[in-house]
Amino acid sequence: EVQLVDSGGGLIQPGGSLSLSCAASGFTVSGNYMSWVRQAPGKGLEWVSVIYTGGNTYYADSVKGRFTISRDNSKNTLYLQMSSLRVEDTAIYYCARARRGSWGAFDVWGQGTMVTVSS
Amino acid sequence: DIQMTQSPSSLSASVGDRVTITCQASQDISNYLNWYQQKPMKAPKLLIYEASNLETGVPSRFSGSGSGTDFTFTISSLQPEDIATYYCQQYNIVPITFGQGTRLEIK
Repeated sequence: EVQLVDSGGGLIQPGGSLSLSCAASGFTVSGNYMSWVRQAPGKGLEWVSVIYTGGNTYYADSVKGRFTISRDNSKNTLYLQMSSLRVEDTAIYYCARARRGSWGAFDVWGQGTMVTVSS
Repeated sequence: DIQMTQSPSSLSASVGDRVTITCQASQDISNYLNWYQQKPMKAPKLLIYEASNLETGVPSRFSGSGSGTDFTFTISSLQPEDIATYYCQQYNIVPITFGQGTRLEIK
């Protein structure tokens, strides 16, 4: 079964760091464009980052320099390392797979993991 | 960044109604436009990709059209299970951007 399972969310103080994981099954993360998308409470969807099959990475301006997307092919897992966290980073974070032949049409999503940045 | 302007922000319709949502891009995005459905406490679901292609398993009452800067999403006959928030999304260039969403309610 094709599936993504997000984990790693929690409560963190402003300025802190947190690492999110997204375990894939039924396909390889290395063979697909993979993104992180977030949703603040009661708000819309915001794209965060993408890692291409070739390894290139791109970020939203709001997280550039603070977040790092990566993958571990041996574990078939996608990661999002977050540092210098701000209150405005509070959101549900979803990992998502782009459908074959596309880099930005997300056909498989994780269930989401909640990150709360608060003192 | 490409701005995606979606309208209306909310709408109320009756079962069986035809429902239309529009999305306008701030610049030409060709057909790199997707539509998603999100139900409360759930991850989004891809319905339409590349402006007009129906994702596998999605009912045929959902459709999309448009290219360039103007796009339309239609539900031909609204069903009770279609109650959700709908988002358009462009991926012509980084950063990927979403519309602000349309909340669909049953009248």
